[in-house]
Amino acid sequence: SQQGEEDPQALSIQEGENATMNCSYKTSINNLQWYRQNSGRGLVHLILIRSNEREKHSGRLRVTLDTSKKSSSLLITASRAADTASYFCASRVSGGYNKLIFGAGTRLAVHP
Amino acid sequence: EAGVVQSPRYKIIEKKQPVAFWCNPISGHNTLYWYLQNLGQGPELLIRYENEEAVDDSQLPKDRFSAERLKGVDSTLKIQPAELGDSAVYLCASSSGTSPSTDTQYFGPGTRLTVL
Repeated sequence: SQQGEEDPQALSIQEGENATMNCSYKTSINNLQWYRQNSGRGLVHLILIRSNEREKHSGRLRVTLDTSKKSSSLLITASRAADTASYFCASRVSGGYNKLIFGAGTRLAVHP
Repeated sequence: EAGVVQSPRYKIIEKKQPVAFWCNPISGHNTLYWYLQNLGQGPELLIRYENEEAVDDSQLPKDRFSAERLKGVDSTLKIQPAELGDSAVYLCASSSGTSPSTDTQYFGPGTRLTVL
């Protein structure tokens, strides 16, 4: 499979806590993106980090990228029940077109 | 702005029957993608269109799957005949195509197919 790996597969936390999800990918990338998927819905784009960036912030989201280790992490601070969803990283391979290789996802449950 | 529209949302069929899924991308988006998402997995690309041309169908099982995007707008994905292993969610996405390396892909809600 071309898919990358995400860790953990599932995460259960209380509201207000931080959630950290990790992603590893296999090929050289142009950028890496994170998506959220609520149950029974399509994926929603959260944030994009380019291969020459090491860290990026968007609201309560913080993404890091380590190209030497082919890994990325997504941190959600001060989580809310509404953050309950599956989170996927997607690596955009170098060269060619906008082809994304998705990881298997982390299922996050935030309890009130 | 309307998002990506897919229909039907759910489909249950018996094996060996044909099935078709329809997708209407965001207006003005030139690039359209069909993905397969198995339970507990991330989406995997089946085919990508630039306008009406299929430019990457390397992951499409061509013995039973076919797709078309007439007039470069709506698209249909067909399976004939369906097999038990085809049970999955079929996602359609679109992007503007103006900046291929960073374009955001917008996903529809998907069609959940169950093959009995």
